[in-house]
Amino acid sequence: DQQVKQNSPSLSVQEGRISILNCDYTNSMFDYFLWYKKYPAEGPTFLISISSIKDKNEDGRFTVFLNKSAKHLSLHIVPSQPGDSAVYFCAAKRGYSTLTFGKGTMLLVSP
Amino acid sequence: DGGITQSPKYLFRKEGQNVTLSCEQNLNHDAMYWYRQDPGQGLRLIYYSQIVNDFQKGDIAEGYSVSREKKESFPLTVTSAQKNPTAFYLCASSPASVETQYFGPGTRLLVL
Repeated sequence: DQQVKQNSPSLSVQEGRISILNCDYTNSMFDYFLWYKKYPAEGPTFLISISSIKDKNEDGRFTVFLNKSAKHLSLHIVPSQPGDSAVYFCAAKRGYSTLTFGKGTMLLVSP
Repeated sequence: DGGITQSPKYLFRKEGQNVTLSCEQNLNHDAMYWYRQDPGQGLRLIYYSQIVNDFQKGDIAEGYSVSREKKESFPLTVTSAQKNPTAFYLCASSPASVETQYFGPGTRLLVL
């Protein structure tokens, strides 16, 4: 039973436009959410996170939105750059539990 | 500078052989984790340790073993009981009670 779902395996965007990556979760007890970026054959790199008490967190070009009623979060990248091309993982946790990851979305930003 | 190191980058295993993947961190983190990534899959938790000399099974612990004798080190042994060991293995660590985990560069294990 997958508690964190990233339903889009891939996304293609043109350079300079907005990239929107989506993530849905089923466990209403999750209280912390994270996004990681991963290049092939490398470890994931932490990007941005959000606590369940907030609905938005922004860091430079990256913004995460949380809609608790819909159990949905999204990562917005504006403007998108070719170097953003990678696999993006959504992760969630409850309290001091371990992270539960989605399967990832591959983002391709073309020049 | 601080970080998480994993060695080797590539590892080959023969049938029936146990192999050990190394993970070392100098971040002074209390918690350490092992994940497995397969193509098209997310990261699945194998084992984790929140403190020295203590560790817990994750979602897919069968065929694996770990030890945590030192705070800095969390080696993972892939035993012969693991029938499908080919995967990319990732080690991570985090400070106690902090949500963000930081990952090493990974080890790719291949079966000969």
